[in-house]
Amino acid sequence: DGGITQSPKYLFRKEGQNVTLSCEQNLNHDAMYWYRQDPGQGLRLIYYSQIVNDFQKGDIAEGYSVSREKKESFPLTVTSAQKNPTAFYLCASSIVGTGDYEQYFGPGTRLTVT
Amino acid sequence: DQQVKQNSPSLSVQEGRISILNCDYTNSMFDYFLWYKKYPAEGPTFLISISSIKDKNEDGRFTVFLNKSAKHLSLHIVPSQPGDSAVYFCAASARGFGNEKLTFGTGTRLTIIP
Repeated sequence: DGGITQSPKYLFRKEGQNVTLSCEQNLNHDAMYWYRQDPGQGLRLIYYSQIVNDFQKGDIAEGYSVSREKKESFPLTVTSAQKNPTAFYLCASSIVGTGDYEQYFGPGTRLTVT
Repeated sequence: DQQVKQNSPSLSVQEGRISILNCDYTNSMFDYFLWYKKYPAEGPTFLISISSIKDKNEDGRFTVFLNKSAKHLSLHIVPSQPGDSAVYFCAASARGFGNEKLTFGTGTRLTIIP
């Protein structure tokens, strides 16, 4: 089955700790994205990558870091510098090019920092 | 600055009737629009999209209408079914300008009343 996996589903951390969220896709997509969803808000883009070893900041990149060493994987690290890390994190992927296409989303990881 | 707006946070519709969800945008560079459906604690799933060269796209019970002059799009679901109860997000991108990023609205919670 092709798709996007995110693990774990729920993650709990103490304030001041860095935490890494996993995202893997077997859709052979070039582009991958990280979003954050907060209650009553839409999805906001944190980072995205259109090719291996390259990534760009989204709208709310402060306090986050990413890497893209493999096409299939795009882990997100929430650092202690992120002021409000508790949120629902969504990873997505897509092809890159012309034409009509959509982003496919993983099931999400809910991070709670206390 | 909210470039994609969904002004109705919630909508209730009787089963079998038509559901109409609205979305407005301000960025005239947006040329590709998508609707996603989301259940709680899950990733969004793609429903339907439309490019700016069209004013209507239909897929089964779902139709999206685009009014470029008004910078407005709407999603029609007919007939509405109980399984349609979810949060619906409108998203837009400026694909023709080389921008693959999606900008999301804040969502509309649709409740179908049996």
